[in-house]
Amino acid sequence: AQKVTQAQTEISVVEKEDVTLDCVYETRDTTYYLFWYKQPPSGELVFLIRRNSFDEQNEISGRYSWNFQKSTSSFNFTITASQVVDSAVYFCALSGDTEYNAGGTSYGKLTFGQGTILTVHP
Amino acid sequence: ETGVTQSPTHLIKTRGQQVTLRCSSQSGHNTVSWYQQALGQGPQFIFQYYREEENGRGNFPPRFSGLQFPNYSSELNVNALELDDSALYLCASSHPGWGLSTDTQYFGPGTRLTVL
Repeated sequence: AQKVTQAQTEISVVEKEDVTLDCVYETRDTTYYLFWYKQPPSGELVFLIRRNSFDEQNEISGRYSWNFQKSTSSFNFTITASQVVDSAVYFCALSGDTEYNAGGTSYGKLTFGQGTILTVHP
Repeated sequence: ETGVTQSPTHLIKTRGQQVTLRCSSQSGHNTVSWYQQALGQGPQFIFQYYREEENGRGNFPPRFSGLQFPNYSSELNVNALELDDSALYLCASSHPGWGLSTDTQYFGPGTRLTVL
């Protein structure tokens, strides 16, 4: 069974601080994908990044960066110089290649962590 | 490009009633997945529809059922509502690349269901 753990329930920072959100996952799949989504108060999950299990390169997108370490089964997310607009719930999710229906077709089941509530104060 | 849309935004039902939630997939996406998100929790996978058939299902009872239409829009039906069904129901669409299991899912704004 797949599992995603986000140990930090809530994080509170002051604007311009850097903040790292932790994500640890468990899977028996050799091929899998990891995702981060942002959920603002409006409720919609906003896709941030997808990373496959064979690509351990870190990625940077503006103020966002992701650190994937297969050896520790972690996929951490860092926001540099946080802003008030970054306040939201952040979810880490996992999708593997071993979810098959009775007909033998794979399907895309995302397994989410519990989420981390990030509050950035002005 | 139109994103994923869901209706209604909010819904209040009483225990034992039936409810239908609707989802229109993002333009060009032919796969729809439904998730249930209880307050303070991460979303839980209900099922996925591909080519108008249920392609995969999570750990939800048969009173949760769905449909996908030729235009790829989808419905989630829940019969015999229970208090624990109160949650945010999220629809996500994706366009299969080289693997249904690996495609990025794009989510709609959700339907907030309250069961009294």
